[in-house]
Amino acid sequence: EVQLVESGGTLVQPGGSLRLSCEASGFMFSNYWMTWVRQAPGKGLEWVANIKEDGSQKRYVDSQKGRFTISRDNAKNSLYLQMNSLRAEDTAVYYCARVFHSYTSGSYVSYFDYWGQGTLVTVSA
Amino acid sequence: DIQMTQSPSSLSASVGDRVTITCRASESINNYLIWYQQKPGKAPKLLIYAASILQSGVPSRFSGSGSGTDFTLTISSLQPEDFATYYCQQSYITPLTFGGGTKVEIK
Repeated sequence: EVQLVESGGTLVQPGGSLRLSCEASGFMFSNYWMTWVRQAPGKGLEWVANIKEDGSQKRYVDSQKGRFTISRDNAKNSLYLQMNSLRAEDTAVYYCARVFHSYTSGSYVSYFDYWGQGTLVTVSA
Repeated sequence: DIQMTQSPSSLSASVGDRVTITCRASESINNYLIWYQQKPGKAPKLLIYAASILQSGVPSRFSGSGSGTDFTLTISSLQPEDFATYYCQQSYITPLTFGGGTKVEIK
């Protein structure tokens, strides 16, 4: 059974740093791109970052580029999100998810097929 | 960035109703369109990918259609467990972007 378990969310002061972790099980972690998606309280979903199977490619939403760093340790089946210079607007539930690629109708499409339960980050003084 | 616009933002419907949610992309995304369902306090759940392909295990009352910029999610006969918020997402190009969500409530 595929499982993704996030941890590391907590209350942090503005300007502070935090590292989120996502431990994966039930599938060959090193074979999949992984992603972070966040959701501010009462708001919609926002994609944060993706990382390739071997960590050689990383993509970010522009608003977090330079402050957030996605990484992974395939030996530990773990995904990470290092967040620096945190702001009140970074307050959200952070989800990790597996990225699945499917060859369909002549093209490769990707989607998030398994999600963790989320971890809450609160940025406040 | 590609903007994804969902409509309506909320709707009220009864069990057994046919429900249609639309999602419009600010530019063509071919069929790189995904639908998710989210219930309060829970993670999103994948429903449909490639605009119209039902994820394994998802009931057949859910269907998706569209290509290019205009897409539709249809629930043919709304069930009690379908009351939730639905999001579309484009996977055509980064930054990946989601629609604002459609909350389906009980009438």
